[in-house]
Amino acid sequence: QKEVEQNSGPLSVPEGAIASLNCTYSDRGSQSFFWYRQYSGKSPELIMSIYSNGDKEDGRFTAQLNKASQYVSLLIRDSQPSDSATYLCAPHQAGTALIFGKGTTLSVSS
Amino acid sequence: EAQVTQNPRYLITVTGKKLTVTCSQNMNHEYMSWYRQDPGLGLRQIYYSMNVEVTDKGDVPEGYKVSRKEKRNFPLILESPSPNQTSLYFCASSTRDSGNTIYFGEGSWLTVV
Repeated sequence: QKEVEQNSGPLSVPEGAIASLNCTYSDRGSQSFFWYRQYSGKSPELIMSIYSNGDKEDGRFTAQLNKASQYVSLLIRDSQPSDSATYLCAPHQAGTALIFGKGTTLSVSS
Repeated sequence: EAQVTQNPRYLITVTGKKLTVTCSQNMNHEYMSWYRQDPGLGLRQIYYSMNVEVTDKGDVPEGYKVSRKEKRNFPLILESPSPNQTSLYFCASSTRDSGNTIYFGEGSWLTVV
């Protein structure tokens, strides 16, 4: 049984701060790692993907991957109230089902 | 436009009355999947399909059926719905390759009374 663990939160940060979201996974065969953002009642949307160890930056978002530790994280710099949502982690191995963590709820206060 | 279309978007039904939630994608994706989402439980996979005529159980398949007769369609069937199947359902599709974006439908709110 593949497991994906995330702190459920809520994680509360003030506007302009850095939000740090963490995820650990059990499947060592995972090759791709996705972060999805989901607003309440809406479908998830992809915000970051990372495939190699290290950091990947895209605008205010940075994904960090450490396959040896089976750990992936998402940093959101200069957090905005519009970033308030649930963030879902999804490690993936080709040819297998895509499983999501339960998500971390982020609340950014203005 | 690439999209995954689910219908109905909203439905209130009664216990035991069979219903089907349709899902269609226009991207020629091999992989399709159904998830349900409940408060505090995240997205839980019901069934998935790697290609036509190939389906597998996810984490919570009890009470559901699926079929994949055509590549574009992946209907979710509730033969005898019960109140514990009240949930928000998402259909999703992707190519089989790792690293490719998974596309979600807009979701179907299902209430069983």
